[in-house]
Amino acid sequence: RKEVEQDPGPFNVPEGATVAFNCTYSNSASQSFFWYRQDCRKEPKLLMSVYSSGNEDGRFTAQLNRASQYISLLIRDSKLSDSATYLCVVNTGNQFYFGTGTSLTVIP
Amino acid sequence: DTGVSQNPRHKITKRGQNVTFRCDPISEHNRLYWYRQTLGQGPEFLTYFQNEAQLEKSRLLSDRFSAERPKGSFSTLEIQRTEQGDSAMYLCASSPRTGVGTNYGYTFGSGTRLTVV
Repeated sequence: RKEVEQDPGPFNVPEGATVAFNCTYSNSASQSFFWYRQDCRKEPKLLMSVYSSGNEDGRFTAQLNRASQYISLLIRDSKLSDSATYLCVVNTGNQFYFGTGTSLTVIP
Repeated sequence: DTGVSQNPRHKITKRGQNVTFRCDPISEHNRLYWYRQTLGQGPEFLTYFQNEAQLEKSRLLSDRFSAERPKGSFSTLEIQRTEQGDSAMYLCASSPRTGVGTNYGYTFGSGTRLTVV
C-alpha cells in the first residue's frame, strides 16, 4: 500500500467554482502534513501546512482528520492561475512522502 | 542566498556515461534531500543528509547511485553507467528540521532534468 494516496483527477472546473481534493495516508504515526503546488515542468512549491484544527489561507482551506488519516484541500472561487498539480505530502520520521498529485485545470 | 540551487538544469547523456548533479541548499538548512520525479508521479525519496551525515537511503538508490555532502553544505548526486530508466527530474530539497511539533516543509530547487539516450 502506498504511503499517500490521491485521486489523480484531472479536475476541470469553471472559473469561480469551488473544488475539493482528498488524500489519505497509511501511517498513523505521521507527524506533519502539507499541500504543495506544482506547475508543469517546475519544482513543487509549498502551498500550505495542514493543522489538526484546520486552517485557511485566503481562498484555500486545509483540513486534517487524524482518526480517518485523511487530508483535504478546498479551493474557493477558482482562478485561472490555480491550474496546476496539487501534491499531498506527509512527513513520517525523517521522510516526506508525496502523493502522485491531483491535476486541476480552471476553464475560463 | 534566496533558495535551493541545482546545476545543471538539463543534462542529456548517452547510456553508459556517468553524470553528476550539484545542489546548494538554503544556507541555514541542515537537512538536504534528493528526490526523483518521473512524469505523472509524485517525487520519490532517494536519500537524506543531516549536515554531512547520510542518514537514510531508499532502496531506489541502487549501487550505481552515490550522494555526498562532504562539508555539510552543498551535495552531489552521481549516477554511474546511466540507463534509459534513469531519465527523470532529480530534485533537491532542504529543510531546517522536521519532526513532531514542527511544520517545516521542504524548499525545492528547480531540479535537474536528465535524459539518457
